[in-house]
This record gives sequence, structure tokens and C-alpha cells, in this order.
Amino acid sequence: GIQVEQSPPDLILQEGANSTLRCNFSDSVNNLQWFHQNPWGQLINLFYIPSGTKQNGRLSATTVATERYSLLYISSSQTTDSGVYFCAVGMDSNYQLIWGAGTKLIIKP
Amino acid sequence: DGGITQSPKYLFRKEGQNVTLSCEQNLNHDAMYWYRQDPGQGLRLIYYSQIVNDFQKGDIAEGYSVSREKKESFPLTVTSAQKNPTAFYLCASSISQNYGYTFGSGTRLTVV
Repeated sequence: GIQVEQSPPDLILQEGANSTLRCNFSDSVNNLQWFHQNPWGQLINLFYIPSGTKQNGRLSATTVATERYSLLYISSSQTTDSGVYFCAVGMDSNYQLIWGAGTKLIIKP
Repeated sequence: DGGITQSPKYLFRKEGQNVTLSCEQNLNHDAMYWYRQDPGQGLRLIYYSQIVNDFQKGDIAEGYSVSREKKESFPLTVTSAQKNPTAFYLCASSISQNYGYTFGSGTRLTVV
């Protein structure tokens, strides 16, 4: 089955810093999503991005499907950006999303 | 506002009891999902449903059961056969397979 690897596993930054989170996947996909899980457990869908580039405020994401990776950019980090960022991928032939292990981000004031 | 509502937020279960977690959505989504998350871990799929009156097992369905009698509702029953049910349970929905997921706020289940 598809393997999903996220890096780095942990990231500690000062408020105002920029960061790049990476998601590598081992096979062709037609569904790729980025999620943020806050410290209270709520999962928020950040992007549905099987290919191309999208931006939403301070966050942007790029997926290069032919090279099997996706990047999530966070600019001017705020303490509320802390939490775990998950990448999840899916294929037509399988209804399930395959989840990465996540990147735990801590933003210090 | 449209969204997914999970209840209760916290649930305590005694050994040998069945408990049911509620998941209701008003997004008019066809697909619904149940995930389990253990501390410090990622999400694992328990069951999913693509349409009313149909559902499929995920990776860890043993000890769980679901129903999908209405489009809006996808309750999960944690049976006494689930030997280690203490976990955080998340419900999600999507328009269909290749669309973004929307998650509820979760139910924390503890065995006492």
C-alpha cells in the first residue's frame, strides 16, 4: 500500500518565523489533504490539494504529483499555529485516506 | 452554520458495557467516516459509509459497529468485544471520495 512520510517529526520555532513541512508519498494519488490538529484535538482541513498550489492567508501548499511530494508553508508563525500537522492521501481504487504520522509544531512567544 | 456535531465530548464506560457515540452532519455530505486516535498517534479508520444503508469496515473494525439509516447520522457503537476502547474518536464527512474532509470535535472515551 501507499506509504506516507512526513518531515520533520518535530519543529520548535519562535513566533514570527517561517516554516516548511514536507509530505512524501510512495505512489500516485488523486486525493491529498493537509490538516491541523490543535491542542484540544480539533482537526481542521487546511487544504485539499492533489496537485498544484493553493494559498490561504499565511498558509500555502504545493503538491508536485509527478515527484510524489507536497509542501506546507507557514509564514509569520503565531502561537495559535501550534499543534500537529497531518498529511493524508488517497487513490481512486481505495476509499480510505492513508495518514502520515504528523509534524508536531510548537511556536514559542 | 453547517458542520459536524459529535456527542458527548467525554464518555466513561464500565467494563462489559456497550456505548454509542453520536455523529450528525448538516453539510449534505454523502460520505461519513469514523476514526480512532490514540495518544501521540495518527488516525486509524474504523468504518466508513459512502451512502445511506451502506458501510464498509476500515483497518480496525473489530469490536465496533455502525449504522447509516439517515444521510445526516452515522453513530458508532463501541461494544464489549473491543478490549482497549480508551481513545479519542473522530467523525468526519465529505461530499464524496475525492473531496476534502470535515471533522467533528471528537469524543474522548475512557474505560473505568
